[in-house]
Amino acid sequence: DAMVIQNPRYQVTQFGKPVTLSCSQTLNHNVMYWYQQKSSQAPKLLFHYYDKDFNNEADTPDNFQSRRPNTSFCFLDIRSPGLGDAAMYLCATRSQPNQPQHFGDGTRLSIL
Amino acid sequence: AQTVTQSQPEMSVQEAETVTLSCTYDTSESDYYLFWYKQPPSRQMILVIRQEAYKQQNATENRFSVNFQKAAKSFSLKISDSQLGDAAMYFCAYRRGEDMRFGAGTRLTVKP
Repeated sequence: DAMVIQNPRYQVTQFGKPVTLSCSQTLNHNVMYWYQQKSSQAPKLLFHYYDKDFNNEADTPDNFQSRRPNTSFCFLDIRSPGLGDAAMYLCATRSQPNQPQHFGDGTRLSIL
Repeated sequence: AQTVTQSQPEMSVQEAETVTLSCTYDTSESDYYLFWYKQPPSRQMILVIRQEAYKQQNATENRFSVNFQKAAKSFSLKISDSQLGDAAMYFCAYRRGEDMRFGAGTRLTVKP
């Protein structure tokens, strides 16, 4: 059973049109992460939530925002997508500090 | 900033043979975690093995083992008895607190 669920698997949006990616988890983990992974590159951390505390990476563009309305759900909002934002977006969760992250299948975002 | 380096963009191994993937990292910290993740094409990133830096003993998970050299800041992954299903992108990762850094990845091909 999938424990970190990302919807949709594939998302297409137009240049400049806001888009929201969603992530849900059944693990009740208190930490949730969003990564951006461009083709043939390593995942790059955008931000994470520790419970409701939001932590933004210093180099995450302002165009990217996130919401976590409850423990189970976390959203990635891209306000005005540019062509350079086309990528795979990975959601991950973690419980205890000594535990690894659990990843979702990712959402592949295309920009027209 | 901590960096993770995987010097082998691509590796190839014959089925049933052994292959070693290299990873080095840079940190001034003494307490951290190291991971190897596997990402098959268009599929979820899965944890292969992890190592706590305070543990001297190398981690082992069935056919997967690591050679952790803390002083040298080296963390290589050995895959024994390689199987076709091992073909994937392998990422080495370093984590301290919420600072998670991935290497650029090594694409492993398994030849039948």
